[in-house]
Amino acid sequence: NAGVTQTPKFQVLKTGQSMTLQCAQDMNHNSMYWYRQDPGMGLRLIYYSASEGTTDKGEVPNGYNVSRLNKREFSLRLESAAPSQTSVYFCASSRQGSNSPLHFGNGTRLTVT
Amino acid sequence: AQSVTQLDSQVPVFEEAPVELRCNYSSSVSVYLFWYVQYPNQGLQLLLKYLSGSTLVKGINGFEAEFNKSQTSFHLRKPSVHISDTAEYFCAVSENNQGGKLIFGQGTELSVKP
Repeated sequence: NAGVTQTPKFQVLKTGQSMTLQCAQDMNHNSMYWYRQDPGMGLRLIYYSASEGTTDKGEVPNGYNVSRLNKREFSLRLESAAPSQTSVYFCASSRQGSNSPLHFGNGTRLTVT
Repeated sequence: AQSVTQLDSQVPVFEEAPVELRCNYSSSVSVYLFWYVQYPNQGLQLLLKYLSGSTLVKGINGFEAEFNKSQTSFHLRKPSVHISDTAEYFCAVSENNQGGKLIFGQGTELSVKP
């Protein structure tokens, strides 16, 4: 029972490089989310996808793009990485609706030098 | 706009002592409330949730929380903690017209000492 799977687990980038963080869920959930976690700031929403075919900006979308490839997969792309994007990134999924709890992956630790 | 404040960034406590982790929120509409736990190098796991009904909610691992609408609070409690409860705890709120988007508090590090 995999749940939410994120790849890679760790990544080091140089400023200006690009990369894509992958996320897949096997729970047949409609909604998927990308959060970043920084010390003392909790988790902040970057982008979300309420259902297949839709994506919307969250609280901190600048510097990121997303693709909801199908119902299972939701990727996050950094086109030109900056040191301010050093963070731990979490993907999550849920059934649709405000009362549905989120199920989280184990995170990707990204360092931008 | 909704916001969540966790009043303590760190809470040290001795094993078998009671603990309360405090959470206050602000919102102009009705909300759903959640507590999550994060163990080192892992993702977040749901501890408990308040959707409606009884204001006292019981979760996993012996934790419970009480929703207080007049004080806009959702404090987490456990009567007797174990070393294994050492983790970071996050309070989160979802407004009922905003889909499943959660707004998280800053987190509280619970450190249980022997």
